[in-house]
Amino acid sequence: QLHLQESGPGLLKSSETLSLTCTVSGASISRGIHFWAWIRQPPGRGLEWIGSIYYSGISYYNPSLESRVTISVDTSKDQFSLKLRSVTAADTARFYCARLSMDRSGYYHFDSWGQGTLVTVSS
Amino acid sequence: SVVLTQPPSVSVAPGQTASITCGGDNIGSKSVHWYQQRPGQAPVLIVFDDRDRPSGISERFSGSNSGNTATLIVSRVEAGDEADYYCQLWDSSSDHVLFGGGTRLTVL
Repeated sequence: QLHLQESGPGLLKSSETLSLTCTVSGASISRGIHFWAWIRQPPGRGLEWIGSIYYSGISYYNPSLESRVTISVDTSKDQFSLKLRSVTAADTARFYCARLSMDRSGYYHFDSWGQGTLVTVSS
Repeated sequence: SVVLTQPPSVSVAPGQTASITCGGDNIGSKSVHWYQQRPGQAPVLIVFDDRDRPSGISERFSGSNSGNTATLIVSRVEAGDEADYYCQLWDSSSDHVLFGGGTRLTVL
């Protein structure tokens, strides 16, 4: 059974770099039929896609965050990671990692999510 | 790019039917997916590819998509359906993901 688990510091100071890792178990990232993604949710607000990565390293980012975000993948460990630079209090959110699977129509949806990890940025 | 618009809230009495809409320019030509997020929990996929349900999801959840509006229907609403619901689509021209703003379903 697929399981995704986020890990990383829960408290940062403004201007620091947020670093999170998602460990995948029950499936292999290198199988190459899925994208892997990060999503965030500020307290009391909606979901925001941060970016996605393929096992080969090809990545796509939300244009609103692209200048500060890097997503990388380590297929040998079945992990993918998020770095968000120059954080501010506005980046305080629960961060989720998730798997994207393709449907019959050729479009992707999130079929499995991690439990999420709360990251607080203090000013 | 497409912007997905959802009503902030929908209220319905137990046993009745709730309709949650997701509006966007010509989204009927794309595939829309729906997630349920109960308080304090991660989102769960409840409808994908406009109208398909993952294994284990109640048949009370159904979807449709045409023109500029996709709709999630929750039939015979129960207290346990009270949650936030999000629509999502994949923009195949950019490989970007879009979420709607979310709808809070309140069971009266």
